[in-house]
Amino acid sequence: AQKITQTQPGMFVQEKEAVTLDCTYDTSDPSYGLFWYKQPSSGEMIFLIYQGSYDQQNATEGRYSLNFQKARKSANLVISASQLGDSAMYFCAMRERTIKAAGNKLTFGGGTRVLVKP
Amino acid sequence: DSGVTQTPKHLITATGQRVTLRCSPRSGDLSVYWYQQSLDQGLQFLIQYYNGEERAKGNILERFSAQQFPDLHSELNLSSLELGDSALYFCASSVAGPAGLTDTQYFGPGTRLTVL
Repeated sequence: AQKITQTQPGMFVQEKEAVTLDCTYDTSDPSYGLFWYKQPSSGEMIFLIYQGSYDQQNATEGRYSLNFQKARKSANLVISASQLGDSAMYFCAMRERTIKAAGNKLTFGGGTRVLVKP
Repeated sequence: DSGVTQTPKHLITATGQRVTLRCSPRSGDLSVYWYQQSLDQGLQFLIQYYNGEERAKGNILERFSAQQFPDLHSELNLSSLELGDSALYFCASSVAGPAGLTDTQYFGPGTRLTVL
């Protein structure tokens, strides 16, 4: 079974509008962390935002915020006031804490490609 | 710039050959991770080292091996290369050890391997 599911393979967004990227996850571990990364066409992976399973509030980082719904096992990324430079692939990832043999590994979703239109 | 460096940036080689990918973590980071990104498999965890010791293993082929040296840089060795090994190989590093749930991994720019 997929641990991280990103159901939107690609989407367009108008410049200056907000966009929500979906991420659902599957884990029985009560302690986990969720991460979002951005991969521009140049290829590097850029860390955007983190949400811990015990965090009471949704994470925010500048124009990025996380809509964390623990009961639904979803951690959607919201990008506000989209800019042309936001055009990229976005990956949701999870780290599970309890599984010692997993170390600190991240499990990634398939990604969502975002194209910002001027 | 994440502070993680990887060399080379591009590598083109033939089937059956052996290559070595090199990674230097961010200053102060003790953990190094290797990931493979391919079109069919997506982003997959290969292996983690923490302060010179292997910490976790993912779907790493037996033809692949890695190590972390006393100065904390790491190398990923890929041997008997096949066409399907063509991919973008990322190194990432982080500060914390095994218990660090909030510990963020910062990725290097990647090495694009093409096997012809």
